[in-house]
Amino acid sequence: GAVVSQHPSWVICKSGTSVKIECRSLDFQATTMFWYRQFPKQSLMLMATSNEGSKATYEQGVEKDKFLINHASLTLSTLTVTSAHPEDSSFYICSARGGQLSTNEKLFFGSGTQLSVL
Amino acid sequence: GQQVMQIPQYQHVQEGEDFTTYCNSSTTLSNIQWYKQRPGGHPVFLIQLVKSGEVKKQKRLTFQFGEAKKNSSLHITATQTTDVGTYFCAGQRGYQKVTFGIGTKLQVIP
Repeated sequence: GAVVSQHPSWVICKSGTSVKIECRSLDFQATTMFWYRQFPKQSLMLMATSNEGSKATYEQGVEKDKFLINHASLTLSTLTVTSAHPEDSSFYICSARGGQLSTNEKLFFGSGTQLSVL
Repeated sequence: GQQVMQIPQYQHVQEGEDFTTYCNSSTTLSNIQWYKQRPGGHPVFLIQLVKSGEVKKQKRLTFQFGEAKKNSSLHITATQTTDVGTYFCAGQRGYQKVTFGIGTKLQVIP
């Protein structure tokens, strides 16, 4: 199956700093990427939909200025957590879907990034 | 908005016993997908169901999509310790985003 690489796997940072997470589709072009946040023992909560060459679409309650998403190419999307605070500590995971918007596209997930803000 | 309910949230079974998790959507779905997430890992795609009443099998796993395309189930026969993990269903309606269920965490007691 398709491979999605996410980096870094884990990061520890000080409160107030910014953290960038990268999501790459290695063997296919991902026109759409999704960013999820997963709290311990909970489901994946969609944060935003990232479309190549256009602005991301954020879910209700997700701060655009705090979680900056850039999808500059068909193989790379980045999520930047700006001015991180302890409450931002979570498991962030990206997924990618190739081709045109479709009703039947399965998702390929990155390995996730565990963010811990001190 | 679209909601996908999944039960149970937790299930402990003795190795060799069967296991089933159920998903129910508030709206008719275009497709439903199932993912497995091992402890400390990321979700991995298992299967996608598209047709009304569809049944698919993968070795000991049986996936079913309801006639009304609003519910689905995953059944594991004779569980093994390697089946441990959280199983998520994810429903999609038309071109809308995929909505995940809360997941069912399966523990298999050796």
